[in-house]
Amino acid sequence: DQQVKQNSPSLSVQEGRISILNCDYTNSMFDYFLWYKKYPAEGPTFLISISSIKDKNEDGRFTVFLNKSAKHLSLHIVPSQPGDSAVYFCAASAGRGNVKTSYDKVIFGPGTSLSVIP
Amino acid sequence: KAGVTQTPRYLIKTRGQQVTLSCSPISGHRSVSWYQQTPGQGLQFLFEYFSETQRNKGNFPGRFSGRQFSNSRSEMNVSTLELGDSALYLCASSLARQTYGYTFGSGTRLTVV
Repeated sequence: DQQVKQNSPSLSVQEGRISILNCDYTNSMFDYFLWYKKYPAEGPTFLISISSIKDKNEDGRFTVFLNKSAKHLSLHIVPSQPGDSAVYFCAASAGRGNVKTSYDKVIFGPGTSLSVIP
Repeated sequence: KAGVTQTPRYLIKTRGQQVTLSCSPISGHRSVSWYQQTPGQGLQFLFEYFSETQRNKGNFPGRFSGRQFSNSRSEMNVSTLELGDSALYLCASSLARQTYGYTFGSGTRLTVV
């Protein structure tokens, strides 16, 4: 049973427009969420994260939104660039980032392949 | 500084054989996690090591095992290989257990024939 779901295997967006990648989770114990980007033949690279005490985190063109009641998060990329074409993984954990608690493993979703068309 | 190094990059084995994959984390990083990536399944957590101890384990059979050495380098071993073990095996390191933002290696592509 997948605890982290990315229901869109692929997404195509025109250059300059907004890309919205969605992620849903089932485990209410998750309190830390991460997005990774992966190019072919490379390992995933960390992109942005958000703690459950926030509902938004922004880093340049990347913004992650968290809706705890809906157990849903999304990654917005504005404006989208051809170099953003990659597979994006949503990930979740319990307690990570909080040195006062023990934490669980990081669970990844199946990924969404984003194509930004020039 | 050097990133996470995984060796070998590619490996072809036959069913029934065993294989050992190696991971050298970023210098100073003490936590190493292993993931299996297959098409449609994303990254499946295998195990996590910290200070030479396995701290967490995923839902994989006992044929999958690992260890971590005093210099934080880690190895994973798969015995009695099956065709379904063909995958990209990724290693990730982080400074400590509670830190976020793993750094991943480029992975070892294992093909079982």
